[in-house]
Amino acid sequence: ETGVTQTPRHLVMGMTNKKSLKCEQHLGHNAMYWYKQSAKKPLELMFVYSLEERVENNSVPSRFSPECPNSSHLFLHLHTLQPEDSALYLCASSQDPRAGGRNTQYFGPGTRLTVL
Amino acid sequence: AQSVTQPDIHITVSEGASLELRCNYSYGATPYLFWYVQSPGQGLQLLLKYFSGDTLVQGIKGFEAEFKRSQSSFNLRKPSVHWSDAAEYFCAVSNRDDKIIFGKGTRLHILP
Repeated sequence: ETGVTQTPRHLVMGMTNKKSLKCEQHLGHNAMYWYKQSAKKPLELMFVYSLEERVENNSVPSRFSPECPNSSHLFLHLHTLQPEDSALYLCASSQDPRAGGRNTQYFGPGTRLTVL
Repeated sequence: AQSVTQPDIHITVSEGASLELRCNYSYGATPYLFWYVQSPGQGLQLLLKYFSGDTLVQGIKGFEAEFKRSQSSFNLRKPSVHWSDAAEYFCAVSNRDDKIIFGKGTRLHILP
């Protein structure tokens, strides 16, 4: 596998379900990101991890819980979501710009989430 | 505040015609500039990037972009579009230590 992979590609869940999105990067990067992309809205940065430490959380509701066990893997745990959380969730990775990287982000294909 | 503006929400061009997508930015520091493309249901693919040096940047798929500091612009061009270029295009700006800010995107439609 090369680049950034995301699983599952599609997910349908009820509001009471608990599910997780997985992201894996094979680029040797040390920073990973979760974005939300809704119809007619710009890309929204949700979380940033650098060297497995969360460095940014853009006021995301607590029903979204990220986890970064190592520099190659990133999870987004979902529970008691709302229908308005339906969106494309994109993962990205880069070299940490604060550590000399050039902040070029490479994206995965996304997970299309539908909340019923 | 830093911002990126893509003034055209939709653009339609005929196959084989030339293309220019506009991007203007507001950024206090020396910017790093990017263009990404997104096909339906897919993630964002990096087309090209500018960090420094030659202001005309070549990218993948025959695209190029020109950084014009005086106009705060980084327009994307292609001399002859193909039907497979139909997608959404995002301009983005950053600097060395800051997060990337994305524009709202321009959806490109291709007429046969």
